[in-house]
Amino acid sequence: DIQMTQSPSSLSASVGDRVTVTCRASQSIGSYLNWYQQKPGKAPKLLIYAASSLQSGVPSRFSGSGSGTDFTLTISSLQPEDFATYYCQHNYGNPPWTFGQGTKVEIK
Amino acid sequence: EVQLVESGGGLIQPGGSLRLSCAASGFSVSDNYMSWVRQAPGKGLEWVSVIYSGGNTNYADSVKGRFTISRDNSKNTLYLQMNSLRAEDTAVFYCARTKRELLSPNYYYYMDVWGKGTTVTVSS
Repeated sequence: DIQMTQSPSSLSASVGDRVTVTCRASQSIGSYLNWYQQKPGKAPKLLIYAASSLQSGVPSRFSGSGSGTDFTLTISSLQPEDFATYYCQHNYGNPPWTFGQGTKVEIK
Repeated sequence: EVQLVESGGGLIQPGGSLRLSCAASGFSVSDNYMSWVRQAPGKGLEWVSVIYSGGNTNYADSVKGRFTISRDNSKNTLYLQMNSLRAEDTAVFYCARTKRELLSPNYYYYMDVWGKGTTVTVSS
Protein backbone atom coordinates (compact mmCIF):
# COMPACT_ATOMS: atom_id res chain seq x y z
CA ASP A 1 0.00 0.00 0.00
CA ILE A 2 1.05 3.58 -0.68
CA GLN A 3 1.93 5.59 2.42
CA MET A 4 1.34 9.33 2.59
CA THR A 5 3.48 11.46 4.92
CA GLN A 6 2.67 15.09 5.66
CA SER A 7 4.94 17.70 7.15
CA PRO A 8 4.84 19.46 9.44
CA SER A 9 2.33 17.76 11.75
CA SER A 10 1.38 21.18 13.05
CA LEU A 11 2.32 24.79 12.50
CA SER A 12 1.55 28.17 13.98
CA ALA A 13 0.91 31.10 11.71
CA SER A 14 -0.60 34.56 11.73
CA VAL A 15 -3.41 36.00 9.65
CA GLY A 16 -1.93 37.14 6.36
CA ASP A 17 0.95 34.68 6.40
CA ARG A 18 1.81 32.45 3.47
CA VAL A 19 1.50 28.84 4.61
CA THR A 20 2.85 25.70 2.95
CA VAL A 21 2.01 22.10 3.80
CA THR A 22 3.93 19.24 2.23
CA CYS A 23 2.79 15.70 1.40
CA ARG A 24 5.09 12.91 0.25
CA ALA A 25 4.00 9.59 -1.26
CA SER A 26 5.95 6.37 -0.71
CA GLN A 27 5.96 5.80 -4.48
CA SER A 28 5.20 7.86 -7.55
CA ILE A 29 1.49 8.68 -7.84
CA GLY A 30 1.52 11.07 -10.77
CA SER A 31 -1.01 13.81 -10.04
CA TYR A 32 -3.43 11.54 -8.18
CA LEU A 33 -3.47 13.69 -5.05
CA ASN A 34 -6.31 15.46 -3.24
CA TRP A 35 -6.31 17.96 -0.37
CA TYR A 36 -9.04 18.31 2.24
CA GLN A 37 -9.69 20.77 5.06
CA GLN A 38 -11.34 19.70 8.30
CA LYS A 39 -12.53 21.90 11.14
CA PRO A 40 -13.23 20.48 14.61
CA GLY A 41 -16.45 18.50 14.77
CA LYS A 42 -17.08 18.91 11.05
CA ALA A 43 -16.80 16.71 7.99
CA PRO A 44 -13.81 17.16 5.70
CA LYS A 45 -14.14 19.54 2.77
CA LEU A 46 -12.49 19.05 -0.60
CA LEU A 47 -10.08 21.84 -1.55
CA ILE A 48 -7.87 20.53 -4.36
CA TYR A 49 -8.05 17.48 -6.63
CA ALA A 50 -5.67 16.11 -9.24
CA ALA A 51 -2.84 17.85 -7.36
CA SER A 52 -3.63 21.35 -8.60
CA SER A 53 -7.29 21.67 -9.63
CA LEU A 54 -9.25 23.98 -7.35
CA GLN A 55 -12.64 22.63 -6.29
CA SER A 56 -15.55 24.88 -7.21
CA GLY A 57 -16.29 27.45 -4.53
CA VAL A 58 -12.89 27.20 -2.83
CA PRO A 59 -11.10 30.56 -2.48
CA SER A 60 -8.25 31.19 -4.88
CA ARG A 61 -5.79 31.72 -2.00
CA PHE A 62 -5.60 27.92 -1.86
CA SER A 63 -3.39 26.25 -4.43
CA GLY A 64 -1.79 22.86 -4.96
CA SER A 65 1.30 21.78 -6.82
CA GLY A 66 3.55 18.80 -7.36
CA SER A 67 3.61 15.45 -9.08
CA GLY A 68 5.27 12.10 -8.61
CA THR A 69 6.04 11.81 -4.91
CA ASP A 70 6.16 15.40 -3.61
CA PHE A 71 3.18 17.72 -3.29
CA THR A 72 2.43 21.07 -1.71
CA LEU A 73 -0.66 22.86 -0.50
CA THR A 74 -0.20 26.62 -0.27
CA ILE A 75 -2.42 29.20 1.38
CA SER A 76 -1.24 32.53 -0.03
CA SER A 77 -2.65 34.74 2.72
CA LEU A 78 -3.98 32.93 5.76
CA GLN A 79 -7.46 33.99 6.86
CA PRO A 80 -9.13 33.42 10.25
CA GLU A 81 -11.43 30.76 8.77
CA ASP A 82 -8.42 28.77 7.48
CA PHE A 83 -7.34 27.56 10.90
CA ALA A 84 -8.05 23.86 10.55
CA THR A 85 -6.45 20.49 9.89
CA TYR A 86 -5.42 19.67 6.34
CA TYR A 87 -5.15 16.18 4.86
CA CYS A 88 -3.73 14.88 1.63
CA GLN A 89 -5.06 11.69 0.05
CA HIS A 90 -3.89 9.75 -2.98
CA ASN A 91 -6.20 8.09 -5.51
CA TYR A 92 -3.60 6.27 -7.55
CA GLY A 93 -4.47 2.83 -8.85
CA ASN A 94 -6.63 0.49 -6.84
CA PRO A 95 -7.60 1.33 -3.25
CA PRO A 96 -6.72 1.73 -0.44
CA TRP A 97 -6.64 5.43 -1.16
CA THR A 98 -4.81 6.40 1.99
CA PHE A 99 -4.73 9.78 3.72
CA GLY A 100 -1.79 11.57 5.21
CA GLN A 101 -1.74 11.95 8.99
CA GLY A 102 -2.86 15.57 8.83
CA THR A 103 -1.36 19.00 9.42
CA LYS A 104 -2.94 21.23 12.03
CA VAL A 105 -2.72 24.95 11.26
CA GLU A 106 -3.01 26.97 14.47
CA ILE A 107 -3.11 30.64 15.35
CA LYS A 108 0.20 32.16 16.37
CA GLU B 1 -29.72 20.15 -2.82
CA VAL B 2 -26.98 17.54 -2.88
CA GLN B 3 -26.81 15.96 0.57
CA LEU B 4 -25.74 12.86 2.48
CA VAL B 5 -27.15 11.92 5.88
CA GLU B 6 -25.66 9.06 7.90
CA SER B 7 -27.44 7.12 10.60
CA GLY B 8 -27.17 3.89 12.54
CA GLY B 9 -24.26 4.62 14.83
CA GLY B 10 -24.32 3.86 18.53
CA LEU B 11 -22.76 1.94 21.40
CA ILE B 12 -22.07 -1.71 20.67
CA GLN B 13 -20.20 -4.42 22.54
CA PRO B 14 -17.04 -5.98 21.12
CA GLY B 15 -17.91 -8.78 18.73
CA GLY B 16 -21.24 -7.21 17.86
CA SER B 17 -22.68 -6.01 14.58
CA LEU B 18 -24.03 -2.70 13.36
CA ARG B 19 -25.34 -1.41 10.04
CA LEU B 20 -24.73 2.18 9.05
CA SER B 21 -26.92 3.93 6.49
CA CYS B 22 -26.23 6.94 4.31
CA ALA B 23 -29.25 8.49 2.61
CA ALA B 24 -28.47 10.54 -0.46
CA SER B 25 -30.51 13.35 -1.99
CA GLY B 26 -29.94 15.45 -5.07
CA PHE B 27 -28.03 12.74 -6.90
CA SER B 28 -28.12 9.00 -7.51
CA VAL B 29 -25.85 6.69 -5.48
CA SER B 30 -26.05 4.10 -8.24
CA ASP B 31 -24.51 6.48 -10.79
CA ASN B 32 -21.57 7.34 -8.55
CA TYR B 33 -18.73 5.79 -6.65
CA MET B 34 -19.51 5.99 -2.93
CA SER B 35 -17.05 5.69 -0.04
CA TRP B 36 -16.88 5.31 3.71
CA VAL B 37 -14.17 7.10 5.68
CA ARG B 38 -13.72 6.94 9.45
CA GLN B 39 -11.96 8.98 12.11
CA ALA B 40 -11.06 7.57 15.49
CA PRO B 41 -11.25 10.01 18.42
CA GLY B 42 -8.44 12.55 18.16
CA LYS B 43 -6.96 10.80 15.12
CA GLY B 44 -6.74 11.37 11.38
CA LEU B 45 -8.91 10.22 8.52
CA GLU B 46 -8.87 6.56 7.47
CA TRP B 47 -10.28 5.40 4.14
CA VAL B 48 -12.50 2.35 4.77
CA SER B 49 -14.33 1.20 1.65
CA VAL B 50 -15.65 2.12 -1.79
CA ILE B 51 -18.43 0.77 -4.01
CA TYR B 52 -18.13 1.52 -7.69
CA SER B 53 -21.06 2.44 -9.91
CA GLY B 54 -20.83 -1.04 -11.45
CA GLY B 55 -21.14 -2.64 -8.02
CA ASN B 56 -17.57 -3.79 -7.39
CA THR B 57 -16.14 -3.03 -3.98
CA ASN B 58 -12.81 -2.47 -2.19
CA TYR B 59 -11.89 -2.44 1.49
CA ALA B 60 -9.07 -1.35 3.78
CA ASP B 61 -7.12 -4.30 5.12
CA SER B 62 -8.20 -3.34 8.64
CA VAL B 63 -11.86 -4.10 7.86
CA LYS B 64 -11.65 -6.68 5.08
CA GLY B 65 -13.74 -9.74 5.87
CA ARG B 66 -15.65 -7.93 8.63
CA PHE B 67 -17.29 -4.97 6.87
CA THR B 68 -19.51 -5.02 3.77
CA ILE B 69 -20.43 -1.99 1.70
CA SER B 70 -23.64 -2.07 -0.32
CA ARG B 71 -26.37 0.16 -1.68
CA ASP B 72 -30.11 0.10 -2.29
CA ASN B 73 -30.79 1.97 -5.51
CA SER B 74 -34.53 2.14 -4.86
CA LYS B 75 -33.91 3.93 -1.57
CA ASN B 76 -30.91 5.86 -2.90
CA THR B 77 -29.04 4.75 0.20
CA LEU B 78 -25.53 3.47 0.92
CA TYR B 79 -24.84 0.98 3.70
CA LEU B 80 -21.93 -0.34 5.72
CA GLN B 81 -22.55 -3.63 7.50
CA MET B 82 -20.01 -4.00 10.29
CA ASN B 83 -19.50 -7.38 11.95
CA SER B 84 -17.06 -8.65 14.59
CA LEU B 85 -16.58 -5.12 15.86
CA ARG B 86 -13.48 -4.29 17.89
CA ALA B 87 -12.60 -1.45 20.23
CA GLU B 88 -10.32 -0.03 17.53
CA ASP B 89 -13.34 0.40 15.23
CA THR B 90 -14.58 3.20 17.52
CA ALA B 91 -14.81 6.23 15.25
CA VAL B 92 -16.97 8.76 13.47
CA PHE B 93 -17.96 7.21 10.15
CA TYR B 94 -18.49 9.47 7.16
CA CYS B 95 -20.00 8.56 3.81
CA ALA B 96 -18.83 10.52 0.79
CA ARG B 97 -19.66 10.76 -2.88
CA THR B 98 -16.53 9.86 -4.80
CA LYS B 99 -16.43 11.77 -8.03
CA ARG B 100 -14.80 10.24 -11.07
CA GLU B 101 -13.54 12.99 -13.37
CA LEU B 102 -11.82 12.74 -16.71
CA LEU B 103 -8.87 15.09 -17.05
CA SER B 104 -7.59 13.72 -20.30
CA PRO B 105 -6.17 11.25 -20.62
CA ASN B 106 -6.69 10.06 -17.04
CA TYR B 107 -9.56 9.56 -14.59
CA TYR B 108 -9.19 11.13 -11.14
CA TYR B 109 -11.19 10.37 -8.02
CA TYR B 110 -12.07 12.69 -5.17
CA MET B 111 -14.66 12.94 -2.38
CA ASP B 112 -16.66 16.05 -3.10
CA VAL B 113 -19.79 15.59 -0.97
CA TRP B 114 -19.63 14.37 2.62
CA GLY B 115 -22.19 13.57 5.26
CA LYS B 116 -21.90 14.94 8.80
CA GLY B 117 -20.93 11.54 10.18
CA THR B 118 -22.31 9.00 12.63
CA THR B 119 -20.49 7.86 15.75
CA VAL B 120 -19.75 4.21 16.48
CA THR B 121 -18.48 3.30 19.93
CA VAL B 122 -17.34 -0.26 20.56
CA SER B 123 -17.08 -0.90 24.27
CA SER B 124 -18.22 -3.31 26.94
